[in-house]
Amino acid sequence: GQQLNQSPQSMFIQEGEDVSMNCTSSSIFNTWLWYKQDPGEGPVLLIALYKAGELTSNGRLTAQFGITRKDSFLNISASIPSDVGIYFCAGQLYTDKLIFGTGTRLQVFP
Amino acid sequence: DTGVSQDPRHKITKRGQNVTFRCDPISEHNRLYWYRQTLGQGPEFLTYFQNEAQLEKSRLLSDRFSAERPKGSFSTLEIQRTEQGDSAMYLCASSRMTGYNEQFFGPGTRLTVL
Repeated sequence: GQQLNQSPQSMFIQEGEDVSMNCTSSSIFNTWLWYKQDPGEGPVLLIALYKAGELTSNGRLTAQFGITRKDSFLNISASIPSDVGIYFCAGQLYTDKLIFGTGTRLQVFP
Repeated sequence: DTGVSQDPRHKITKRGQNVTFRCDPISEHNRLYWYRQTLGQGPEFLTYFQNEAQLEKSRLLSDRFSAERPKGSFSTLEIQRTEQGDSAMYLCASSRMTGYNEQFFGPGTRLTVL
């Protein structure tokens, strides 16, 4: 099935560093969502974006809906050990189904 | 506000057996979704319901798969004659029926077909 491209695939950073990841698509979307998934658990919703150019924050997380509607970005500031996990972007166009990205695996070292 | 619940959390079965999974959505959510996730991949859409109506089915949902939501509350996903390729995490999500599609996921059911 279709999946969005996320980069980087994985990141190894030190606690306190800032993190940036992005998600790109060949198609436009009306909605972008960012999720975090821990091993053996379901994805947890972090941020939802509904307008091109929109910038939304949730604590240390900031996400942007790209102007072209084909990409989105997620930044995490001052990373902490509990930020470890896999981050997925998801896009939605006309129907309610979400198209997920390939994921970015984040490791945080103390 | 309880979240989405799924049962069982883990299921091990032999090839050829039938399995059924249950999902209970967040109580005021009208929409319910099923996704499948294999190791190292993002979730892939299978099907979704608005109340009891099944509105969309993915091509991934072969004729061995059937999903129901008879009273518009909980949903079941049945896989008949399981194959090893069906081994995956099956995720359920729910959302309100508004213009904003924030889907909240359950913990998933991990299926292993031997």
